[in-house]
Amino acid sequence: EIVMTQSPATLSVSPGERATLSCRASQSVSSTLAWYQQTPGQAPRLLIYGASTRATGIPARFSGSGSGTEFTLTISSLQSEDFAVYYCQQYNNWPWTFGQGTKVEIK
Amino acid sequence: EVQLVQSGAEVKKPGESLKISCKGSGYSFTGYWIGWVRQMPGKGLELMGIIYPGDSDTRYSPSFQGQVTISADKSITTAYLQWSSLKASDTAMFYCARVHGTRNWYFDLWGRGTLVTVSS
Repeated sequence: EIVMTQSPATLSVSPGERATLSCRASQSVSSTLAWYQQTPGQAPRLLIYGASTRATGIPARFSGSGSGTEFTLTISSLQSEDFAVYYCQQYNNWPWTFGQGTKVEIK
Repeated sequence: EVQLVQSGAEVKKPGESLKISCKGSGYSFTGYWIGWVRQMPGKGLELMGIIYPGDSDTRYSPSFQGQVTISADKSITTAYLQWSSLKASDTAMFYCARVHGTRNWYFDLWGRGTLVTVSS
């Protein structure tokens, strides 16, 4: 089973600042990586797939990069609605696995 | 509207059985895999398994094999997750989610979740 490790566990950022979240896979997953956002009390929402393609309706301030074992989600200028928990998920090998999440909180 | 509508919250006792549901609408239900994802209180997301309603092909994550049963009834565009004997440790939020497509195994549509509480 591929283990996905996200860092940091918590990221404190001021509104308007840039946030950079990392996700590492225990073995190569090529570009088969997705990012999800989960706000309190809500279901997860797809942000990015294929490591770098934004899902429908996702603002351009969200961007993804990386391949192989190292991936990054960048939020260029944090808005109030972006404070949430973010999860990466690999879908290269079964079972598909999620990282443990990064909480982006208001500084 | 394309959506997944999940059944309501459940409160059960240890040892009881339970079946929760996820009804798809607004798209070809038989043409997409559906997954079940567990989220224990204050924790992250864990994929339990997936089912292809078109032929009921089912796959389980190793951690959940033998612990739950995933099924589907394509005639009513509904997927199910069931337990034969609940434990307190089954207390969690359970989400169903649609898999985007073959070789694109990410979840592009999510239900709102079903909260299951198991307590004596």
